[in-house]
Amino acid sequence: DTAVSQTPKYLVTQMGNDKSIKCEQNLGHDTMYWYKQDSKKFLKIMFSYNNKELIINETVPNRFSPKSPDKAHLNLHINSLELGDSAVYFCASSSSGTVVPQPQHFGDGTRLSIL
Amino acid sequence: DAKTTQPPSMDCAEGRAANLPCNHSTISGNEYVYWYRQIHSQGPQYIIHGLKNNETNEMASLIITEDRKSSTLILPHATLRDTAVYYCIVRSNAGGTSYGKLTFGQGTILTVHP
Repeated sequence: DTAVSQTPKYLVTQMGNDKSIKCEQNLGHDTMYWYKQDSKKFLKIMFSYNNKELIINETVPNRFSPKSPDKAHLNLHINSLELGDSAVYFCASSSSGTVVPQPQHFGDGTRLSIL
Repeated sequence: DAKTTQPPSMDCAEGRAANLPCNHSTISGNEYVYWYRQIHSQGPQYIIHGLKNNETNEMASLIITEDRKSSTLILPHATLRDTAVYYCIVRSNAGGTSYGKLTFGQGTILTVHP
């Protein structure tokens, strides 16, 4: 009954490779997000999609390309991986509240390690 | 969104109330106060939010001062499983680039000890 699920949980790969992380939510939300948590534990938003449309892109290198095939999925593809991409990536989802900003529900993260 | 200030760490004895303060002196009228926590190796977990009234749910209580410049998250009977990083975040429902964005600070590391 996992609400926001990410795969894989762990990803170890070499510099220069291309990899994808998948995210799915079964909460019926219309907005999904990707956050990055670096080694210093700072959590920063990367992207946000609402009804499959990109609404937030926080100056992320264009090696990162999110794709939202439908409202329940938001995948993250990363080209030419670099050492600095090592981090934990969290997917989240929420409803787009019209009056009150709705809480975001997070997955358990994908731990990406670049060798 | 307004900036928040939290103490870097706090301790609490198991079974006692944990009171976590947050300053948000530049908060504006349409901004809500949200609290999340992150238990080690897990994703952030929503706890509670409020605008100006005090709020309570099954996890915690949120006390917001009358001038809304600060708030306190209260865990009434802390357990060892409440050991986590607690984040106080201020958010509006404005459109544009702030839509949906959560801006996490450093948070407060709460350690609950036996």
